[in-house]
Order: sequence, then structure tokens, then C-alpha cells
Amino acid sequence: DAKTTQPTSMDCAEGRAANLPCNHSTISGNEYVYWYRQIHSQGPQYIIHGLKNNETNEMASLIITEDRKSSTLILPHATLRDTAVYYCIVRVAGRNTDKLIFGTGTRLQVFP
Amino acid sequence: DVKVTQSSRYLVKRTGEKVFLECVQDMDHENMFWYRQDPGLGLRLIYFSYDVKMKEKGDIPEGYSVSREKKERFSLILESASTNQTSMYLCASSLARVIPSPLHFGNGTRLTVT
Repeated sequence: DAKTTQPTSMDCAEGRAANLPCNHSTISGNEYVYWYRQIHSQGPQYIIHGLKNNETNEMASLIITEDRKSSTLILPHATLRDTAVYYCIVRVAGRNTDKLIFGTGTRLQVFP
Repeated sequence: DVKVTQSSRYLVKRTGEKVFLECVQDMDHENMFWYRQDPGLGLRLIYFSYDVKMKEKGDIPEGYSVSREKKERFSLILESASTNQTSMYLCASSLARVIPSPLHFGNGTRLTVT
């Protein structure tokens, strides 16, 4: 199973862009990159996912390198409510193996 | 919005008790999952189900069983609770089986076994 590597923690000033990196050098061609976040005492919240093209939604942007070995989640204007643990996950999808493999994530602290 | 509801936020049980953790989703999702979350270990998959009465073992199924009698409900059962099963338990559901769709999580049940 492909695994991901993320920094343990990051800081970001409120209003600035938060760029969260993720390495997934063993990713296979049919595996998606997913991002989730978990705010204290809540369940993980889905943010965005992609296969090989860059993606954007109302929460964030996802930039995937051409070789697909790494990606970056971008929160364009971080707020205090974005303080959370962010998980980069490679989705192993198949008929009987559809599951998420979570790592330990990046703890993002947004400060005033 | 998808809603995944776990019946209890906090639960305290004694060693040897049989424990039921209930999860209900309201979006007609085919797939349902049970994870546990422990400090330093992240989320680990216990069991999952693609359909009613169907179940598959995840990475750490030992000491657990599951039941899916109805599409919207997925129960996790600890046959004889032990202290090493003290953890945060998270239920999730998703729509599609072949085309990966996002998992939607409940807010978790924090189980303490004494």
C-alpha cells in the first residue's frame, strides 16, 4: 500500500496562504490523493481529492506534481478556524479494497 | 449534507462487557466503515461493508465484529471488551464502490474500558 509523508507541524499567519506538502513517492497510477482535516474532538472532514490534475473547490486547492510523487494542499486565506490536523491520504480503490490509509498528519496552527 | 450519526459521544464500560457501537447514515450510502483512532497511530481500519449483510475485515479486526442488517446502519461489536480497546471509534460512509467517493465521518465515540 502506498504511504504518505507529511511534516509533523506547521504555523501560518491568519489571512495568509497555508501550503501543506505531502510526499507519496510510491503512489500507483490508479490511486487518488485525498486530503482530510480533523478539528479537535470532531471526526475527519473531507477537503478535496485528485488523480493527476490540479483541483480547486470552495475550501482549498490541490496541486499534484507531474510525476505524482508529491502534492500540496493550499488554503488560500487561512483563518483561525483552519487550525486542525491535516491528513494526506492515498486512496487504494478497488472492488474489495476501498479504504483510506491514514498517516499521522500535519498539525496546522493558524495564529492571529 | 451527509449526516453520519454515532449513538454515543462518550462511553465507559467494564472489562469483559459486550459493547455495541451504533452508526447511522442518512444519505443512502452503500459503503460504511469503522475506524479507531489512537495517539501516535492515526486512524486504523477495523471493518468495512459494501452492502447489507456484507462485511470485510480491515487492518485490525481482532476482538471486533460488525453487523449490517439495514443499509443505513452499521454496528461495531466488542464481544468482550478489554482495556486495550480504549480508543476513539469513528464511523464513516461513502457513496460509490468502484469510483472512489469521499468518506464522510461521524464525530466519534470515545470508549473507555476500565
